[in-house]
Amino acid sequence: GENVEQHPSTLSVQEGDSAVIKCTYSDSASNYFPWYKQELGKRPQLIIDIRSNVGEKKDQRIAVTLNKTAKHFSLHITETQPEDSAVYFCAARKAAGNKLTFGGGTRVLVKP
Amino acid sequence: DVKVTQSSRYLVKRTGEKVFLECVQDMDHENMFWYRQDPGLGLRLIYFSYDVKMKEKGDIPEGYSVSREKKERFSLILESASTNQTSMYLCASIAGGNEQFFGPGTRLTVL
Repeated sequence: GENVEQHPSTLSVQEGDSAVIKCTYSDSASNYFPWYKQELGKRPQLIIDIRSNVGEKKDQRIAVTLNKTAKHFSLHITETQPEDSAVYFCAARKAAGNKLTFGGGTRVLVKP
Repeated sequence: DVKVTQSSRYLVKRTGEKVFLECVQDMDHENMFWYRQDPGLGLRLIYFSYDVKMKEKGDIPEGYSVSREKKERFSLILESASTNQTSMYLCASIAGGNEQFFGPGTRLTVL
């Protein structure tokens, strides 16, 4: 089955700096890659996603890039703010079905 | 506004007890999922259901079973709880689009 690895497991950045989280996946049939953000004590929520026919997608301060050949995708957060502190999960999904395989998560701490 | 609710936020049970975790969604979603969340391991899929009375094993189904008698309700059952099932349990649902909507989670402690 699909295997998703996520790095780093923790990331500490200064407010205003950029943060990058990287994920690799194993199944070349995967074609949908969402990112979820989970604030402390809250449920995960979708923040951005990308499909395999697109190499990059941006939404304000967050962007996701996808390299299908290398089977990896990354989340970029620019101009980080304290409210960006959370656990971020990447995931991958095959064409068929709605089953997501999640990475292990990255705890991001933005220091003011 | 999609709403996914879970029956308990916190639950403490004893080893060997039968445990029921309930999940209800109010958006007529076909697909529902049960995950457990453990530090460093992300969200691991236990079981999912794509229709009433239909279920499929996820990645870690051992020690769990599920029930989906009505479209809006998906139950996770621990037949005989063990200490290694102490975890955060998250339910999610999806209509066939992309976004999975999660419930608030149930933190289960098995003593």
